[in-house]
Amino acid sequence: DAGVIQSPRHEVTEMGQEVTLRCKPISGHNSLFWYRQTMMRGLELLIYFNNNVPIDDSGMPEDRFSAKMPNASFSTLKIQPSEPRDSAVYFCASSPGTGNTGELFFGEGSRLTVL
Amino acid sequence: SQQGEEDPQALSIQEGENATMNCSYKTSINNLQWYRQNSGRGLVHLILIRSNEREKHSGRLRVTLDTSKKSSSLLITASRAADTASYFCAPASNDYKLSFGAGTTVTVRA
Repeated sequence: DAGVIQSPRHEVTEMGQEVTLRCKPISGHNSLFWYRQTMMRGLELLIYFNNNVPIDDSGMPEDRFSAKMPNASFSTLKIQPSEPRDSAVYFCASSPGTGNTGELFFGEGSRLTVL
Repeated sequence: SQQGEEDPQALSIQEGENATMNCSYKTSINNLQWYRQNSGRGLVHLILIRSNEREKHSGRLRVTLDTSKKSSSLLITASRAADTASYFCAPASNDYKLSFGAGTTVTVRA
């Protein structure tokens, strides 16, 4: 298996632009997580999907952030409009079980820079 | 959810030496997981120890868990340059959220 695949790996954009990050989880995994990592705040859980359904989006910073999982093999995280403080590395992770009962498999991340 | 607190924040050792880092948490857990993150990469799962286990081994890794003290330790024996990374513990409770602390940054000197 190729693991969790994220795209793009790097994105540089200007403030106000829309950003879409993509994730393909490992086939057969039921749970999908989006995390954000910054030096100041470390790793923050943004949203958790189980069987394609958003279970908890309380970590999403504000309405500018949205996430979807239209099917079991694809998820997107969208920021519109983007701001410089959104600059971070965004990770997608999937898990074969429900929630945290087992290990998470992380993608390599999408490094976002908002100018 | 709760996050673990790793200690020390940073650790520098000579190749071949052992590295020990600790993790403390606050409430009861189902399991505790350790992850490694190499620079510029995603987190990689290293080992999971369940709440009814006290010690677990995986290759050069040894993890202990003391639920009475709400603490865990990760020992890396005979360290190599490739072990240079940040290490995170993640205590898993009854919800689905896996939270991560600031991590321990380990540097292995040649």
